[in-house]
Amino acid sequence: EVQLEESGGGLVQPGGSLRLSCAASGFTISTYWMAWIRQAPGKGLEWVANINQDGGTKYYVDSVKGRFTISRDNAKNSLYLQMNNLRVEDTAVYYCTRKLVEYWGQGTLVTVSS
Amino acid sequence: QSVLTQPPSVSAAPGQKVTISCSGINSNIGINSVSWYQQLPGTAPKLLIYDNNKVPSGIPERFSGSKSGTSATLGITGLQTGDEADYYCGTWDSSLSGYVFGPGTKVTVL
Repeated sequence: EVQLEESGGGLVQPGGSLRLSCAASGFTISTYWMAWIRQAPGKGLEWVANINQDGGTKYYVDSVKGRFTISRDNAKNSLYLQMNNLRVEDTAVYYCTRKLVEYWGQGTLVTVSS
Repeated sequence: QSVLTQPPSVSAAPGQKVTISCSGINSNIGINSVSWYQQLPGTAPKLLIYDNNKVPSGIPERFSGSKSGTSATLGITGLQTGDEADYYCGTWDSSLSGYVFGPGTKVTVL
């Protein structure tokens, strides 16, 4: 059974940093593109970033370019999202996904507030 | 402002059929496949339709998808109370080099 489990969310002040992790099980991430998608409270879905199988190709939504970095560790079957210089508008549930989008994790909440 | 357009809401009585439209442009729906996602209240989204009209294993055949030109449509037949949810279309936009979602459509069973 495919499972994606996010962790690392929490409350952070504007300008702060967080690193989200996604542990995959039931499949080997090395053969799949992976992605992060977020959903602000009461709002719709927004693609954040995705990364190819070997980590050599990455795409980001304009609003996070230069602040967020997507990465992966295929040996650990894990996906990551390093988020720096966080803004209030980054507050959302962040979902880890296999491809765009076959499977979704349950999400982890990131709250940016002073 | 979403790149894709969906109606904010649709409703119908139990057993009836609803359709949800998703409108885009050539650089997204026009040349890339469309997926549909269902998000039940308080839960993570789930894949409903992929590659315009393919139904994943485990999804009832009451759900169907189609695409024509720069528009796609999700159909739900035999509407049930358990179908009350938000439905999103999504596709890759080759001009933006990014994945785009519609704003979502809330389905209400009367």
